[in-house]
Amino acid sequence: KQEVTQIPAALSVPEGENLVLNCSFTDSAIYNLQWFRQDPGKGLTSLLLIQSSQREQTSGRLNASLDKSSGRSTLYIAASQPGDSATYLCAANMNRDDKIIFGKGTRLHILP
Amino acid sequence: KAGVTQTPRYLIKTRGQQVTLSCSPISGHRSVSWYQQTPGQGLQFLFEYFSETQRNKGNFPGRFSGRQFSNSRSEMNVSTLELGDSALYLCASSWTTGGYEQYFGPGTRLTVT
Repeated sequence: KQEVTQIPAALSVPEGENLVLNCSFTDSAIYNLQWFRQDPGKGLTSLLLIQSSQREQTSGRLNASLDKSSGRSTLYIAASQPGDSATYLCAANMNRDDKIIFGKGTRLHILP
Repeated sequence: KAGVTQTPRYLIKTRGQQVTLSCSPISGHRSVSWYQQTPGQGLQFLFEYFSETQRNKGNFPGRFSGRQFSNSRSEMNVSTLELGDSALYLCASSWTTGGYEQYFGPGTRLTVT
């Protein structure tokens, strides 16, 4: 049974710093992995989706990597801004016909 | 292109009642998935519909049900509400089923008293 874990549960960093959010999964046979952002009381915004055949994806200041052999994905945020404060969730899709498993998220607070 | 819309946004119900939530996917998207989000359990998958057929179902009791219409709009119903059903219910749409990128709506906040 696939389990997705995100550590730490909460993180505070000063504005301007680069940071890495971690996501680990127990079954390396994933189809793809998606990173989302959620603002308080709101829905999820898709940030990046990495297919199993890819090693990384980039969008602006965000870079997500995927290492299936170690069961890990990381989300790198460069030059953090207060507007980056949100909860970041990763979700693993095991195969094309299976449901998506979410981690519980990392609550990120960027200090001005 | 309009995003995923969910109605109503907020709902307060009493234990034992039933509730129906609605989700309109992005135009052209044919897959709709439903999730329950609570502080303790996080985001949990309820079910996915594609072309009016349920393709996947999570580990929820039979009180939770759903359907999809020919225009891809979807509804979920919860009967005999319990206090533990209080949660944010999110729907997500994607172009088709099978691991494509999902786009989420703003959610419906259900409070059961």
